[in-house]
Amino acid sequence: AQKITQTQPGMFVQEKEAVTLDCTYDTSDQSYGLFWYKQPSSGEMIFLIYQGSYDEQNATEGRYSLNFQKARKSANLVISASQLGDSAMYFCAMREGDSGGYQKVTFGTGTKLQVIP
Amino acid sequence: DTGVSQDPRHKITKRGQNVTFRCDPISEHNRLYWYRQTLGQGPEFLTYFQNEAQLEKSRLLSDRFSAERPKGSFSTLEIQRTEQGDSAMYLCASSLAGASGNTIYFGEGSWLTVV
Repeated sequence: AQKITQTQPGMFVQEKEAVTLDCTYDTSDQSYGLFWYKQPSSGEMIFLIYQGSYDEQNATEGRYSLNFQKARKSANLVISASQLGDSAMYFCAMREGDSGGYQKVTFGTGTKLQVIP
Repeated sequence: DTGVSQDPRHKITKRGQNVTFRCDPISEHNRLYWYRQTLGQGPEFLTYFQNEAQLEKSRLLSDRFSAERPKGSFSTLEIQRTEQGDSAMYLCASSLAGASGNTIYFGEGSWLTVV
């Protein structure tokens, strides 16, 4: 089974509108972390937001928020007030296990977001 | 700039040649990772170091690939006898164990084209 599933290969959003990028994950660990990264065409992977499995509140970072639904094993990224510069690939990733222990982060296949003026 | 830096950013090589990539992590980070990314895919884990110890190697890392982090600071990834299938972007990343969920910060990547 895929560890991280991103079912939307591509998404369009109108500038200034909000958009939700879907991510579901599969793990039997109790302690894990979920991340979202942005990859513009230049190639750099830019860290956006992090959610720990024990965090009770949904993570927020500026215009980014992570809609964490633990029972459903989903960690959707919400981008509010989209900007043209948000056009990029977005990757969901998961770290299994405790943050202080063994580390391996698995990535999904990504969603290409295009913001329309 | 205190981020992860990689060198070279782009490399074109002939099949059968050896190539080496260098990564300088964020200075206080004790963990360093190498990932490979091909077009249309997410990054795939290759290997990771904690300080100078290489703790995990993916099955993707064939015998032609070797990674080192001799003093627990910078790292090199060498590919011997390159093949066309090695064409990809090689991403280096670093993190500080236990901090901020062990968030991994990536460099800008090294693009390899094998012709």
